[in-house]
Amino acid sequence: GAVVSQHPSWVICKSGTSVKIECRSLDFQATTMFWYRQFPKQSLMLMATSNEGSKATYEQGVEKDKFLINHASLTLSTLTVTSAHPEDSSFYICSAYKGGVSTDTQYFGPGTRLTVL
Amino acid sequence: GDSVTQMEGPVTLSEEAFLTINCTYTATGYPSLFWYVQYPGEGLQLLLKATKADDKGSNKGFEATYRKETTSFHLEKGSVQVSDSAVYFCALILTGGGNKLTFGTGTQLKVEL
Repeated sequence: GAVVSQHPSWVICKSGTSVKIECRSLDFQATTMFWYRQFPKQSLMLMATSNEGSKATYEQGVEKDKFLINHASLTLSTLTVTSAHPEDSSFYICSAYKGGVSTDTQYFGPGTRLTVL
Repeated sequence: GDSVTQMEGPVTLSEEAFLTINCTYTATGYPSLFWYVQYPGEGLQLLLKATKADDKGSNKGFEATYRKETTSFHLEKGSVQVSDSAVYFCALILTGGGNKLTFGTGTQLKVEL
């Protein structure tokens, strides 16, 4: 199998606070994880690529000081939204890359809905 | 750059109707192609994939064939069910492209009784 979990599944926070979202690959090791943001009825926007043991690579236009990514182990990556504001409210989805001849693909977590009041 | 183009939705069908969702791609190399499905309020699930020309991916009655000559990967199902209502995303990973997925914009499918 290839199961990816995210925690929490939803979170509501006050403006100005920070929120941490965890992404775990449960039954495989993922050297690379990806973080996406999805607005209502839109496609996924890649925010950053997270590699275990190194700094994340952010896509153009994504504030690295705003969205802190840590890939602490081969099964865990975290996204911290710092000093959250209402415009950060969104659906955040992570994925984990599983390599191999027949398994080469990304597996997605169920997503985390963030609401900033 | 690499890109994926999907037919715009929403697509509304009656149960047991035939489904086709068109997907074409532009890539500088030899991509692997994917269809992902997103049910309301959930993350994406891999539906099927194909890694080389003429490969056919299939799962849950859905299928898609990797057509290099037309750079297409159209999704088909012979008889849709209400439970197939979801958003379908076509995507590609370019070999040597850092394992990044390039997504189409998604096509919403609504199946009615």
